[in-house]
Amino acid sequence: DAKTTQPNSMESNEEEPVHLPCNHSTISGTDYIHWYRQLPSQGPEYVIHGLTSNVNNRMASLAIAEDRKSSTLILHRATLRDAAVYYCILKVRNNNDMRFGAGTRLTVKP
Amino acid sequence: GAGVSQSPRYKVTKRGQDVTLRCDPISSHATLYWYQQALGQGPEFLTYFNYEAQPDKSGLPSDRFSAERPEGSISTLTIQRTEQRDSAMYRCASSQGEEETQYFGPGTRLLVL
Repeated sequence: DAKTTQPNSMESNEEEPVHLPCNHSTISGTDYIHWYRQLPSQGPEYVIHGLTSNVNNRMASLAIAEDRKSSTLILHRATLRDAAVYYCILKVRNNNDMRFGAGTRLTVKP
Repeated sequence: GAGVSQSPRYKVTKRGQDVTLRCDPISSHATLYWYQQALGQGPEFLTYFNYEAQPDKSGLPSDRFSAERPEGSISTLTIQRTEQRDSAMYRCASSQGEEETQYFGPGTRLLVL
């Protein structure tokens, strides 16, 4: 199964951009890259997903490397409410088994 | 409904007892998922339903675990003869269809003494 590798933790200052990396060197051509985050004491929530092209939405941007072996979730201006565990997940097409891994715990300092 | 709901929110049981957890998905959602989340870990997939069909049970850790969704809406997860290692947060999620964004419920925290 394709796996992802993320740093265990990262820190950011409030109002500054945050770049959360994810390596997925064994990604296959039909795997989508999904990002979810889990705020303290809550269930995971969807952030963004993409296949090949960079993606933007109101929450974040997703930058996908040309070879698709890595991606970066970009929070343009971190707020204290963005403190959470961020999960990078490879979702196999036609397979509903989402493997979350341990994620990156983001701490945002005021 | 407005979101995914789960009940009970907390359950304490003694080893060897059976427990049943309930999930109410978002009303228009065809697909429903169950996950197990240990403390400090990400959720681990258990099983999912597409309406009442259960195409994938591969994540269920043993035959003590079973899930149902008989009418394609509410689902239950039953753990028979609970063991201490079953203690975890059990999360339910639903989506409009397979491949769609998953919306998670608040979870049921199970403690097996």
